[in-house]
Amino acid sequence: DIQMTQSPSSLSASVGDRVTITCRASQSIRSFLNWYQQKPGKAPKLLIYVASSLQSGVPSRFSGSGSGTDFILTISSLQPEDFATYYCQQSYSHPATFGQGTKVEIK
Amino acid sequence: QVQLQESGPGLVKPSETLSLTCTVTGGSTSSYYWTWIRQPPGKGLESIGYIHYTGSANYNPSLKSRVTMSVDTSKNQFSLKLRSMTAADTAVYYCARGTEQYVDYWGQGTLVTVSS
Repeated sequence: DIQMTQSPSSLSASVGDRVTITCRASQSIRSFLNWYQQKPGKAPKLLIYVASSLQSGVPSRFSGSGSGTDFILTISSLQPEDFATYYCQQSYSHPATFGQGTKVEIK
Repeated sequence: QVQLQESGPGLVKPSETLSLTCTVTGGSTSSYYWTWIRQPPGKGLESIGYIHYTGSANYNPSLKSRVTMSVDTSKNQFSLKLRSMTAADTAVYYCARGTEQYVDYWGQGTLVTVSS
């Protein structure tokens, strides 16, 4: 299985901050990388697919970049509703695997 | 708007088989890939596998010997069976819709506890 490693595991930030989360794959996954947001007690929500495509209805402050093994999720100006846990997922090879998650908390 | 809803027991005894059904509304199971993902309490996400609307399935190798998925397009439902349940299978189980590249619609999830 392809291992996905996110960093940091958690971070504290303030409303309005620029936040970046990194995801690294154990081998090249080309651009087959997705980002999900999960709030407590809720199902994950797709934010970004195939590395940089914004899912319909997702605010433009979210963006994704990268290819190969290194990927970044950026939130350009953190909003109160963005405090959540973020997961990356590779869909290059079966089984699809997720990172361990990055919890974004209020500073 | 596509909606998915899991149904099934919240409590399963060790060694028994878990059976979950996902009912899809606002869309058809006669297209896309239909996926099961689970999340142990306080932990991360694990893909169980998926089934194509044609019936072709692909399971996580770590669970493959215990998993069966099926799809019933006439009922707009798909199902998961997981045999020989243990405490390690305690998790929130999500059904979801996706493509080969990503999952775009999720059910709300159902907590399944394995305990005697």
